Amino acid sequence: QVQLVESGGDVVQPGRSLRLSCTASGFNFSIYGMHWVRQAPGKGLEWVAVISYDGSDKYYADSLKGRFTISRDNSKNTLFLQMHSLRPEDTAIYFCAKDSPIIPFDLWGQGTLVTVSS
Amino acid sequence: SYELTQPPSVSVSPGQTARITCSGAALPKRYSYWYQQKAGQAPVVVIYKDTERASGIPERFSGSSSGTIVTLTISAVQAEDEADYYCQSTDISGSYPLVLGGGTRLTVL
Repeated sequence: QVQLVESGGDVVQPGRSLRLSCTASGFNFSIYGMHWVRQAPGKGLEWVAVISYDGSDKYYADSLKGRFTISRDNSKNTLFLQMHSLRPEDTAIYFCAKDSPIIPFDLWGQGTLVTVSS
Repeated sequence: SYELTQPPSVSVSPGQTARITCSGAALPKRYSYWYQQKAGQAPVVVIYKDTERASGIPERFSGSSSGTIVTLTISAVQAEDEADYYCQSTDISGSYPLVLGGGTRLTVL
């Protein structure tokens, strides 16, 4: 079954760090780029970051100002998002999404909720 | 930074045609994509490369492009089409960041 499953969402205090994971199954993870997209409560979708199939290229949304790092482990079919210096405005559902040559987000996970609150 | 602009909401009765627009300066040069997100669910692609219908998407969904505006058209709208719809594209460079519109809530009356 082709799917993406996110995990690692939690309630954290402002200024703390958190690492999200996204485990892929049912397709050859190692040949596709992968994205993180987030959605604040009641708000729209916001692209966060992308990583190339081999991890050599990474791009981020300007708004993150270097606080987030995307990475992957192809041996474990897993994508990561390391988040530092978390702020209340980072509160959101974080989705991972598979890239493809014709569709930027052609498969989505169900998301994991991150709540930043004291 | 580059922006894609969508109307916040569109309402139609069942059986009518819904049109959701997305405007952006680079759209004449860059492909657009449309994603449907039903309440409590992850998004799903419905249209890619302006006009191509994604696999498994009903024929009543179509995409078009005219200058700086792209349009998602849903013919003979059904209750199950009620959802948020997002357009996505890039700025004129064609590179990152990927940009998403603010989303349009389609309400089926």
